[in-house]
Amino acid sequence: SYELTQPPSVSVSPGQTASITCSGDKLGDKYACWYQQKPGQSPVLVIYQDSKRPSGIPERFSGSNSGNTATLTISGTQAMDEADYYCQAWDSSRGVFGTGTKVTVL
Amino acid sequence: EVQLVESGGGLVQPGGSLRLSCAASGFTFSSYDMHWVRQATGKGLEWVSAIGTAGDTYYPGSVKGRFTISRENAKNSLYLQMNSLRAGDTAVYYCARGDETTGGFDYWGQGTLVTVSS
Repeated sequence: SYELTQPPSVSVSPGQTASITCSGDKLGDKYACWYQQKPGQSPVLVIYQDSKRPSGIPERFSGSNSGNTATLTISGTQAMDEADYYCQAWDSSRGVFGTGTKVTVL
Repeated sequence: EVQLVESGGGLVQPGGSLRLSCAASGFTFSSYDMHWVRQATGKGLEWVSAIGTAGDTYYPGSVKGRFTISRENAKNSLYLQMNSLRAGDTAVYYCARGDETTGGFDYWGQGTLVTVSS
């Protein structure tokens, strides 16, 4: 079955840039989405179709996808961005989530 | 305002069955694919099932043959019938709306907890 792998954790200082990777076989041939999940809350879509932001998502969230890796970038990271982040793609009409990355803003 | 409200979770013994429901409002339910996604405590998200607008269904291998997703458009409701439950099925189950435009899940419910234990 298709798998998406993320680093377990990423640490970033306030105001700096956080990059979260998501690796999967030929992931660049698929569209990737990213979700933010804060403790005790439901996930929120922050990036779709690799690099597009839904309405209401701050511009500091951006994404890219090429080869075997999709990347979520948070520029000018704020304390409120501390959360778990999951990538997601579709493989043969079945949803696949990444393993998840905890972003800590130090 | 789009709302998804899950219900039906609870404690069930291994081998037992449970039916989850998701009440949708604020959008034309029949026009959207719908999904169930689960999350065990302290773990990541796992896609569980999907149903298309035409009633086509999809499952991962981990639940295929045990879980059945269905929808009742007249009642704006989504269901998940879970049979032969195992301890590994213990999780919060979320109902999520699929958006063909984004290819993602654009709205999520608050989740309902399913605990499989003797």
